[in-house]
Amino acid sequence: SQQGEEDPQALSIQEGENATMNCSYKTSINNLQWYRQNSGRGLVHLILIRSNEREKHSGRLRVTLDTSKKSSSLLITASRAADTASYFCATDALRGSTLGRLYFGRGTQLTVWP
Amino acid sequence: DTAVSQTPKYLVTQMGNDKSIKCEQNLGHDTMYWYKQDSKKFLKIMFSYNNKELIINETVPNRFSPKSPDKAHLNLHINSLELGDSAVYFCASSHGLRQVNTEAFFGQGTRLTVV
Repeated sequence: SQQGEEDPQALSIQEGENATMNCSYKTSINNLQWYRQNSGRGLVHLILIRSNEREKHSGRLRVTLDTSKKSSSLLITASRAADTASYFCATDALRGSTLGRLYFGRGTQLTVWP
Repeated sequence: DTAVSQTPKYLVTQMGNDKSIKCEQNLGHDTMYWYKQDSKKFLKIMFSYNNKELIINETVPNRFSPKSPDKAHLNLHINSLELGDSAVYFCASSHGLRQVNTEAFFGQGTRLTVV
């Protein structure tokens, strides 16, 4: 399949700790995106990294991309209870019949305990 | 001033019924999508429209028919509802397909329960 796969499926940490989530994918990509979904809500875009970028920061978020390994990681530093949510990676295919599709993984459920 | 709004938020209906979900975006985007999220949170694209034209139609039963009266609206009509259609349906929009920055903006979802 072409969708991304997040790892781990679930992650439970204490406030103040860092949370790292990984994503692997199979096709050549235009860009890779991370989204967050709070329980019962829609997805919210967090950060986009292009295929020619290796690292990107946004506030407490740090995303890396390794196109040779077809993998990405999302690091949330100094986590807070409010960071509790599901986190999804999505790949934007580079070409062909899959152009225009965002392929999502099944997400990592992050729980941050106070 | 909601960017992507979809209605209703909850929909409970009996098998065999026909129902519609409406979606509107006020972001000026050219492309709109319907996604289905199952009970395991797997999110899969169903349809995509670009400037009112259907461009993506994944393997979805033809009981599902999207309609885009204009580029700000994309509605989803479902005929002869089945138990397996129960899921959360998300509408989303983004800039045109061939823009580099294709981040998508999602609606709040419609939780469809077929009984």
